[in-house]
Order: sequence, then structure tokens, then C-alpha cells
Amino acid sequence: GDSVTQMEGPVTLSEEAFLTINCTYTATGYPSLFWYVQYPGEGLQLLLKATKADDKGSNKGFEATYRKETTSFHLEKGSVQVSDSAVYFCALPYSGGSNYKLTFGKGTLLTVNP
Amino acid sequence: DVKVTQSSRYLVKRTGEKVFLECVQDMDHENMFWYRQDPGLGLRLIYFSYDVKMKEKGDIPEGYSVSREKKERFSLILESASTNQTSMYLCASSSPGTSNQPQHFGDGTRLSIL
Repeated sequence: GDSVTQMEGPVTLSEEAFLTINCTYTATGYPSLFWYVQYPGEGLQLLLKATKADDKGSNKGFEATYRKETTSFHLEKGSVQVSDSAVYFCALPYSGGSNYKLTFGKGTLLTVNP
Repeated sequence: DVKVTQSSRYLVKRTGEKVFLECVQDMDHENMFWYRQDPGLGLRLIYFSYDVKMKEKGDIPEGYSVSREKKERFSLILESASTNQTSMYLCASSSPGTSNQPQHFGDGTRLSIL
């Protein structure tokens, strides 16, 4: 079935370091792909999405490119801040009849130190 | 902005009690979801509803039931709470249709069963 595998971490970086969180997927067809972020004590928020191959989603300095050839959607940021400390989830829609549900990766805890 | 509101941020109940978790969304979304989030396991879907009075089991429905009497409200019921149901519970909503519709999450209810 459709699934997502993401790098589990935890990841600890210093402020201004470069971030990559890997995400690969197995899917039937070419669904959209999402990255969600969960700040401490909060629910999940949509960070960015891409709806087709070679699309690049971006938001708050984060980027991810939908790569069909490598079935990947890696999250990157050029210079992380302490405020980026959170758990990041890669997510893949799968079809349940006429409606879509999401399957999530296990989440990657990012800690950014000053 | 979509607002998904969960009635309690923190809840403490006793083993054997019947527990109700409430979720309300204000965007007229057809789809609503209940997940539980546990360390190392990520998010797991408990139940899903795609219309009023319609529901579908997710991956871990045992010990839970749901109610959707109105479009904006989706309730999760723990019929007889047990300690292994101590967890973070997240509600989400989305529009139906294509795979590029994201889910919007509430802030979660951290439930402790003593």
C-alpha cells in the first residue's frame, strides 16, 4: 500500500545551519505531497505542499521538491533558527473511495540551539 | 483561516469511565478525522467521517466510537477508558475531492487515564 518513510532523528543543529530531512514515498499514481510542522504543545500545521512532479513547495524559508524519479520529497532550509525547533511530518494522501486520507511519516524532531 | 477547535487541551480521567472528546470546525468541511499521536508511532487514524452520520474505521478503532450529528462537530468516545488510551488526540478536517486538499488540525487534547 501507499507509505511514507522519513528520517526519524532526532536532529540537533546550531542556528544558521543547513537542514535536510529526508522523505521517500511509495504510491499508486502521482498524489500531492505535504510537509506538516508541529510546534511544542500544538497541533499540526501545514508547512508546504506540492501537487505534481517537479513542483517545489515553499514556505517560511523551507523548500521541498517533488521528485518522481527518486520518489522523494526532502525538506530543506538554508539557515535554521531556534524558532524552527519542532517535529516535522511528511504526509501522503491515499484514496479511500471518493475521499482522501493521509498517511504520515513517524516524524522528525528538530532542535536548533543558539 | 480554518479553525479546528478541540474542547479540552488537557484531560484526566479514571479507568472505566466513558470519555467524550469534542471537535468543532468552522469551514463547512465534509471530512473530519480523529488521530492519536504516540512517541515513536507517529499519527494513527482512529476514525474518519465523510458526512453527517457517516463514519469509517481507521487503523486503530478498537475501544473507540464516534458521533457526527452535525457537519461541524465530530466527537470521539472512549466507551470504557483504559490506561493504554493515555495519549495525545488530534482532530482534523478537510474538503473532499482531489488529493491536494490538506487536512487542518486542532491543537490536540492530551488525555491521561489513571
